[in-house]
Amino acid sequence: EAGVTQSPTHLIKTRGQQATLRCSPISGHTSVYWYQQALGLGLQFLLWYDEGEERNRGNFPPRFSGRQFPNYSSELNVNALELEDSALYLCASSPDPPGEFFGPGTRLTVL
Amino acid sequence: QKEVEQNSGPLSVPEGAIASLNCTYSDRGSQSFFWYRQYSGKSPELIMFIYSNGDKEDGRFTAQLNKASQYVSLLIRDSQPSDSATYLCAVNPTGRRALTFGSGTRLQVQP
Repeated sequence: EAGVTQSPTHLIKTRGQQATLRCSPISGHTSVYWYQQALGLGLQFLLWYDEGEERNRGNFPPRFSGRQFPNYSSELNVNALELEDSALYLCASSPDPPGEFFGPGTRLTVL
Repeated sequence: QKEVEQNSGPLSVPEGAIASLNCTYSDRGSQSFFWYRQYSGKSPELIMFIYSNGDKEDGRFTAQLNKASQYVSLLIRDSQPSDSATYLCAVNPTGRRALTFGSGTRLQVQP
């Protein structure tokens, strides 16, 4: 069974630009979660999508947004990039009941 | 008070010893509890989950849950240098399916 996949692996942007990160969940999983992990810090919950709807979002500004497509894949958009947005962005999917399985992550660097 | 608290460590144990990792949580209504292992530069990997009070064993790993004390622990028997990683405790808070993660405990197993 294929795991969660994310693309790209690495992304380099400059301040003010927009970044788009993509995630494909494990087959059969309808929920997708996005987390930010800045260097040396813990996982910070960003967004949760289920059945195409945004179910919950963490304490992040509106320039962090996303969507979930009919095939349950998801993308995370970060507008007006700031230096402190540099982090590892992790996507996870889960079956029902909860228990999240993570993809390899996208390393975003903002210069 | 943080929702999920862990000692950041590092916790250093000799090879072959038992490593004991602890976690407390604040939401008394939490129903499910997870332990993840994260190697440096990699994404978290689910290693154990527990729903009921008591112990749950899987190979060298034992998860322990005490809901009255709001306490979860992970024991690693016969610790190996390959167990050296950061261990993240995660909790499914009431009314929210996305997990809340602790900041992790760094474990170092000395050969």
